[in-house]
Amino acid sequence: AQTVTQSQPEMSVQEAETVTLSCTYDTSENNYYLFWYKQPPSRQMILVIRQEAYKQQNATENRFSVNFQKAAKSFSLKISDSQLGDTAMYFCAFMKQGGSEKLVFGKGTKLTVNP
Amino acid sequence: GAGVSQSPSNKVTEKGKDVELRCDPISGHTALYWYRQRLGQGLEFLIYFQGNSAPDKSGLPSDRFSAERTGESVSTLTIQRTQQEDSAVYLCASSLVRGSYNEQFFGPGTRLTVL
Repeated sequence: AQTVTQSQPEMSVQEAETVTLSCTYDTSENNYYLFWYKQPPSRQMILVIRQEAYKQQNATENRFSVNFQKAAKSFSLKISDSQLGDTAMYFCAFMKQGGSEKLVFGKGTKLTVNP
Repeated sequence: GAGVSQSPSNKVTEKGKDVELRCDPISGHTALYWYRQRLGQGLEFLIYFQGNSAPDKSGLPSDRFSAERTGESVSTLTIQRTQQEDSAVYLCASSLVRGSYNEQFFGPGTRLTVL
């Protein structure tokens, strides 16, 4: 079974600064995807960024980028130029390729961006 | 509708009562997922429907939980004889299965409180 661990329950950052959220995972699979989701107080899960395990290049989406270390099973999220609207819970998730494609989530990191 | 909708938004029930939660997926999405999010936790997979295939029920925590889906439309999650530990947010997601990666789009969830 796959597990996802987020070791930072809470983090805070000043507006316009950079913050990095950590995530490690455990799997014996070779083909999989990794994700970061954002969950604001509205409860809506929003996909922030996706990484395919077979790709060595780290994914980037505007201010969001990841550091994917496959051998170390590490998948951190970097948020640059933090904005007040980035305040939310952030969840790291794993999906095995094929089958039911169910997502396995970490427990989340509560990020607060301070003005 | 444009997105996944769920009803009710909030549900308060007494211990021992049965509850039904409803999910309306995005039109045309063949895959549908139910997840449970306990307070302060990440999402846990409950069940997966894909077209006419047998559902993946591997995440259902007990036989008090069941779900149905008619074709590629609405799904209902039923919890019988509710217990206090069933209190959680229940999220539904749908995806259009057409390739190696199929993004899941989430609804806003139903917050269930069992007194």
